[in-house]
Amino acid sequence: SQTIHQWPATLVQPVGSPLSLECTVEGTSNPNLYWYRQAAGRGLQLLFYSVGIGQISSEVPQNLSASRPQDRQFILSSKKLLLSDSGFYLCAFERDTYNEQFFGPGTRLTVL
Amino acid sequence: AQSVAQPEDQVNVAEGNPLTVKCTYSVSGNPYLFWYVQYPNRGLQFLLKYITGDNLVKGSYGFEAEFNKSQTSFHLKKPSALVSDSALYFCAVRVMNSGGYQKVTFGTGTKLQVIP
Repeated sequence: SQTIHQWPATLVQPVGSPLSLECTVEGTSNPNLYWYRQAAGRGLQLLFYSVGIGQISSEVPQNLSASRPQDRQFILSSKKLLLSDSGFYLCAFERDTYNEQFFGPGTRLTVL
Repeated sequence: AQSVAQPEDQVNVAEGNPLTVKCTYSVSGNPYLFWYVQYPNRGLQFLLKYITGDNLVKGSYGFEAEFNKSQTSFHLKKPSALVSDSALYFCAVRVMNSGGYQKVTFGTGTKLQVIP
């Protein structure tokens, strides 16, 4: 069966510190991978998506970056966090472009 | 361009009553349509999807949705609401395309509150 893991579950970081959030998928090959941010428990903002290893598309200009070093690994990073980076970060995958997405449990990031 | 509208921020319904959560879409072409549910501090869970075929789609937890092409709608319904259905619901759309990658667009979400 397919599963998706995200860690850490919660994170409190000071302004200006680096960030690394990791997402891994099991049980499928060559998935499309996504990073979303959700503010205040409402709408989803698509940050990055990847349709293959090393292929990253950015949706919103910001101080975040993403990498896909392996087929089923997706990493969200920042060199220097801003207060506005606080939020609930969700990783998701889909087996192919026309199927539903499966979401990870999320990471609650608080930047102080 | 494609878009999804969920016109209600919140829907309140009494337990045992039927519920409807509205979704309308706009795409250039034929749509794939999805509903997801999110419980507090959790990731989204897939409920159901419309790809093609029967306009009435049945999904998890007794939910169903009806694709209406003329009204460009895909409303989520359930005959009898449960308190445990209280959650945030997202509609999403993706256009069918014979070539190239097409992103999925999510609505802004509707909070469903089922009152005991």
